[in-house]
Amino acid sequence: DTGVSQNPRHKITKRGQNVTFRCDPISEHNRLYWYRQTLGQGPEFLTYFQNEAQLEKSRLLSDRFSAERPKGSFSTLEIQRTEQGDSAMYLCATLAGWGDTDTQYFGPGTRLTVL
Amino acid sequence: ILNVEQSPQSLHVQEGDSTNFTCSFPSSNFYALHWYRWETAKSPEALFVMTLNGDEKKKGRISATLNTKEGYSYLYIKGSQPEDSATYLCAPGAGSYQLTFGKGTKLSVIP
Repeated sequence: DTGVSQNPRHKITKRGQNVTFRCDPISEHNRLYWYRQTLGQGPEFLTYFQNEAQLEKSRLLSDRFSAERPKGSFSTLEIQRTEQGDSAMYLCATLAGWGDTDTQYFGPGTRLTVL
Repeated sequence: ILNVEQSPQSLHVQEGDSTNFTCSFPSSNFYALHWYRWETAKSPEALFVMTLNGDEKKKGRISATLNTKEGYSYLYIKGSQPEDSATYLCAPGAGSYQLTFGKGTKLSVIP
């Protein structure tokens, strides 16, 4: 257990529905990242927050995706009008440091299946 | 965008065998190389963060080496055990505060 929790662990939805995932970071970790892993690929960066500010978004993050981190604590990732291509494992990671040499601690992920 | 290659994609070894995997990455703009172990239904677990050319890290039966000049890292597992079965991911950081992962090496240790 890394101390990062994600809910739900599994989500099955029909195409066109909206879904929201939640990530609870390790307490006092100022940086929070979202990654997505599709079948046969490594995790791919989606977006990251420093405290409550969303500082970077990948081109993978279409307009249907939105992420928030109110008050710099937990974060939510919402996907609107889901498509079958959104089926993936969504991972959250947090860290306390400021550089590339600091360890990111991952949650167990939310597996999304879009029917 | 970094191009990170891991090989092999998967391998099966007998319990007690030693094994190793490779991670290749562009050597320019290198900051750090992260190794993770990801067991099914669990969180990816950080194994090592390596920064210096020639760096060697060890954790129990697992060790890793780093060559930043030629852009590769090796992960070694000595005397594989069934509990080592997992996907091993490498991810270089290149100053952008995000990790770029390879596709991973899936290890299965047969009792």
